[in-house]
Amino acid sequence: SQELEQSPQSLIVQEGKNLTINCTSSKTLYGLYWYKQKYGEGLIFLMMLQKGGEEKSHEKITAKLDEKKQQSSLHITASQPSHAGIYLCGADTAGTASKLTFGTGTRLQVTL
Amino acid sequence: GAVVSQHPSRVICKSGTSVKIECRSLDFQATTMFWYRQFPKKSLMLMATSNEGSKATYEQGVEKDKFLINHASLTLSTLTVTSAHPEDSSFYICSARALLGRGHGTEAFFGQGTRLTVV
Repeated sequence: SQELEQSPQSLIVQEGKNLTINCTSSKTLYGLYWYKQKYGEGLIFLMMLQKGGEEKSHEKITAKLDEKKQQSSLHITASQPSHAGIYLCGADTAGTASKLTFGTGTRLQVTL
Repeated sequence: GAVVSQHPSRVICKSGTSVKIECRSLDFQATTMFWYRQFPKKSLMLMATSNEGSKATYEQGVEKDKFLINHASLTLSTLTVTSAHPEDSSFYICSARALLGRGHGTEAFFGQGTRLTVV
């Protein structure tokens, strides 16, 4: 089984709707990173969470870390076409703060 | 934030030739860089950890003679795909670890990736 499970695998939402992407680890989380990727392009760093209960927001994107559940969620409020892309969570499960294991990604489409 | 530059962004090569991909940290020194490979519609898979001044550490299943990594300076790591074959066609991404300042931990910054097509 995957060390890092992301759900859903793909998502189609109407513009203006809210959505949530989940990332669950089978190992202890020392850090959880969220990235966005447009197909064939590099990764854009969104947020890094390190402490249980930590919550960060940037524009309309909020990420939370539930350390006990070894889980993080990414929430987008009032989605826009610019939010479309692939969202990847990366986990530091070794405590090295740099070598990351990635989830399988969530492909988000935002329709008009 | 810190910037990682990867070059080239796209390359097409003939089967049997070698291709070099560069990864540079532009405004910080990176003692450690990482090379990932991404298959279509799949997540990133760590290939190897590149350490400045020493041999790279390869993940299980990655051929070190096939994917040569050199980290000769604190700002440059290179990945050379030797004797490339069509199955090596993929998207390769590097990342570098940057210190965020005292007490703020570290963060992994990624290059823009290189799409390799072997024909």
